[in-house]
Amino acid sequence: KAGVTQTPRYLIKTRGQQVTLSCSPISGHRSVSWYQQTPGQGLQFLFEYFSETQRNKGNFPGRFSGRQFSNSRSEMNVSTLELGDSALYLCASSLSGVETQYFGPGTRLLVL
Amino acid sequence: SQKIEQNSEALNIQEGKTATLTCNYTNYSPAYLQWYRQDPGRGPVFLLLIRENEKEKRKERLKVTFDTTLKQSLFHITASQPADSATYLCALGSNFGNEKLTFGTGTRLTIIP
Repeated sequence: KAGVTQTPRYLIKTRGQQVTLSCSPISGHRSVSWYQQTPGQGLQFLFEYFSETQRNKGNFPGRFSGRQFSNSRSEMNVSTLELGDSALYLCASSLSGVETQYFGPGTRLLVL
Repeated sequence: SQKIEQNSEALNIQEGKTATLTCNYTNYSPAYLQWYRQDPGRGPVFLLLIRENEKEKRKERLKVTFDTTLKQSLFHITASQPADSATYLCALGSNFGNEKLTFGTGTRLTIIP
């Protein structure tokens, strides 16, 4: 079974731009969660989607948004990028919830 | 506010010895706790889950304990090997289903040959 895939793997943007990251979960998994990882803050939960609905949300500003499609693939969007948004963005999938999540390799975003 | 602390940022252990990592939490009533391993440039990999009503869980050379009175979990790797070198993260979940995981900042473990 193929693992969680994320595209692109690396991205360089400038302040004020927006970015869309993509995540394809393991086949059959309906839950997709997104996390931001930085050296200072560690892994922080952004949001979780299940069956195309946002089921839970972390403490991030509204510039961070996401969606999930009927095939469980998910996208995350960050608008009006700030320098502090530079991070590794990880998505994780699971059958139905956050128990036993399978993480993708991440997208490393650098904002200049 | 909720806080999860992992004993140290870095831990060096001699090959063959037992490595013990600590995860302490405050202002939290987790339903379960998970341990993950993360290698540089990769996403975390799930290792073990222990529920609030379980005291201990084992998987091969790994052992996890969970003490809800002390608000602490211990993660042990016995007969450690250089290949065990990685960052280990603990994560807490409040209840099964509609919940989110809260992660600790991790402990970077180095097994010295």
